[in-house]
Amino acid sequence: DTEVTQTPKHLVMGMTNKKSLKCEQHMGHRAMYWYKQKAKKPPELMFVYSYEKLSINESVPSRFSPECPNSSLLNLHLHALQPEDSALYLCASSQEEGLYGYTFGSGTRLTVV
Amino acid sequence: RKEVEQDPGPFNVPEGATVAFNCTYSNSASQSFFWYRQDCRKEPKLLMSVYSSGNEDGRFTAQLNRASQYISLLIRDSKLSDSATYLCVVDYSGGYQKVTFGTGTKLQVIP
Repeated sequence: DTEVTQTPKHLVMGMTNKKSLKCEQHMGHRAMYWYKQKAKKPPELMFVYSYEKLSINESVPSRFSPECPNSSLLNLHLHALQPEDSALYLCASSQEEGLYGYTFGSGTRLTVV
Repeated sequence: RKEVEQDPGPFNVPEGATVAFNCTYSNSASQSFFWYRQDCRKEPKLLMSVYSSGNEDGRFTAQLNRASQYISLLIRDSKLSDSATYLCVVDYSGGYQKVTFGTGTKLQVIP
């Protein structure tokens, strides 16, 4: 299995909703990442988990809350988002933090209304 | 100066042509370098890592020039399917991991 699976693929949510994005990989990778990508822009790093511990939070607002239940799963909990948070949210994994290229999931396209 | 810079393009080239992209980086402590391709509305996919000695994968050749702080990607015999945005990625790992994506170079291969 050489894939990173993200669900859902599309999500529309209101500003008062609570939702979660899910990411799963079974490649034995020990680092997992959340990225945000706006149209025609490169991905922006949000969070890094290394060996199931949060190692980097790139000053992301608290309305985004990551969770790593185990080495294969990564969640991103969303609450009270703003319309400007609409973007493609990409999960990625790598064998170790920073030393190897990433495998990206196909992303969740989020629209906040 | 941006940490990682790329010419956004677009590079419009005919099928069969050879095209090269450069990517410059500002942090001389950078340790790992990668090229990704991203198709429209899709996720980035790792194309190749870039090693100090240079490396080749079929029609693709990547080079690293540490003295001038740039990496390059050469595509020979361009195919229509090579049309995509090519993202340069620089990793400053070593104590504090920080991966920086370039803004990407758009390639359009035309028949």
